[in-house]
Amino acid sequence: SQKIEQNSEALNIQEGKTATLTCNYTNYSPAYLQWYRQDPGRGPVFLLLIRENEKEKRKERLKVTFDTTLKQSLFHITASQPADSATYLCALVMDSNYQLIWGAGTKLIIKP
Amino acid sequence: SQTIHQWPATLVQPVGSPLSLECTVEGTSNPNLYWYRQAAGRGLQLLFYSVGIGQISSEVPQNLSASRPQDRQFILSSKKLLLSDSSFYLCAWSVQGNRGAFFGQGTRLTVV
Repeated sequence: SQKIEQNSEALNIQEGKTATLTCNYTNYSPAYLQWYRQDPGRGPVFLLLIRENEKEKRKERLKVTFDTTLKQSLFHITASQPADSATYLCALVMDSNYQLIWGAGTKLIIKP
Repeated sequence: SQTIHQWPATLVQPVGSPLSLECTVEGTSNPNLYWYRQAAGRGLQLLFYSVGIGQISSEVPQNLSASRPQDRQFILSSKKLLLSDSSFYLCAWSVQGNRGAFFGQGTRLTVV
């Protein structure tokens, strides 16, 4: 079955630097790969989606890459700010029923 | 615009009592609806999903059940709560295609 791996250790980044989070998956490449932000006690918030045939997607300070050969997606936050501190989840969409397979998330801490 | 309402935000229930959590979506038709559970510091666990009225798929066998009496209403129920049911419950919706999933505020359930 499809598995998703995100770094379970918190990522500490200095304010102003670029934060890079990793999402690795096994088996088949998904139709879409999504990234979400989750703050404590809140539901995840959708950030970006990248399709199987796309290499890169950008939205303001966010950038997502998708490498189907490596079976990996990278999520970048440039010019990071303390307000970017949160847990970031990746999710795969495997089929037309829009089933989501979730990673456990990586906690990002931006230090001022 | 689309919105999702989930209530209550917090709930404390005694062991053996029934449960009913409700979720409604506005501004979209025929959404896919989901119930997730999330333990502290852990990833999302899919409990139920529905692609239409009366169509419920269960991912995890347990003492919980779900119903979809109307197109944009999704209900999570239990006849008798267990201590292990204490968790953070999230409702979400999506539409088929290249869009993300959108979550409610979540319900923090504590079974005592």
